[in-house]
Amino acid sequence: DQQVKQNSPSLSVQEGRISILNCDYTNSMFDYFLWYKKYPAEGPTFLISISSIKDKNEDGRFTVFLNKSAKHLSLHIVPSQPGDSAVYFCAASEWSGGSNYKLTFGKGTLLTVNP
Amino acid sequence: DVKVTQSSRYLVKRTGEKVFLECVQDMDHENMFWYRQDPGLGLRLIYFSYDVKMKEKGDIPEGYSVSREKKERFSLILESASTNQTSMYLCASSLLTGAQDEQYFGPGTRLTVT
Repeated sequence: DQQVKQNSPSLSVQEGRISILNCDYTNSMFDYFLWYKKYPAEGPTFLISISSIKDKNEDGRFTVFLNKSAKHLSLHIVPSQPGDSAVYFCAASEWSGGSNYKLTFGKGTLLTVNP
Repeated sequence: DVKVTQSSRYLVKRTGEKVFLECVQDMDHENMFWYRQDPGLGLRLIYFSYDVKMKEKGDIPEGYSVSREKKERFSLILESASTNQTSMYLCASSLLTGAQDEQYFGPGTRLTVT
């Protein structure tokens, strides 16, 4: 059973416009959410995160919104740039025993920003 | 800068071979992780380790084992490789064990089992 869902495999936007990537989750025990970006032939890199007790976190062009009641989060990129073209993974953190946590990833969304 | 390196970028092995994938991090991180990435399935956790000689099963540990003899090194072992283990393997490390702790990934090893 998939606990973190990214239902859009791909998204295409024009340069300068807003990109909105969505993520849904089912496990109410997740307490932190992270977004990673992955270019081809490279490992994922951390982009932005949000605690489950917050509803918004902003870092430059990137904003993550969390709707806990709907178990939904979204990543907004404004304005989108061609260099943002990559696969974006949504990940959720849960306690795995002791003082340890592990991440569960979604399947990813391929974002293409067209010049 | 945190650096996570993986021993090979590309690897081709035959069915039934024993395969070792090595991962080294240079930032004295406590935690290390092995994932595989497959099209349409995202990243799935195979095993992780919070300390030397400690290991925990992830979501898909079957067919794999791990070894962590030194803090900086985490090895993934395929005891008898099978074609369904053809995948991109990603190693990651993190400093802390908090919920918000960011993981740093290596570049990945693309393993093909023929």
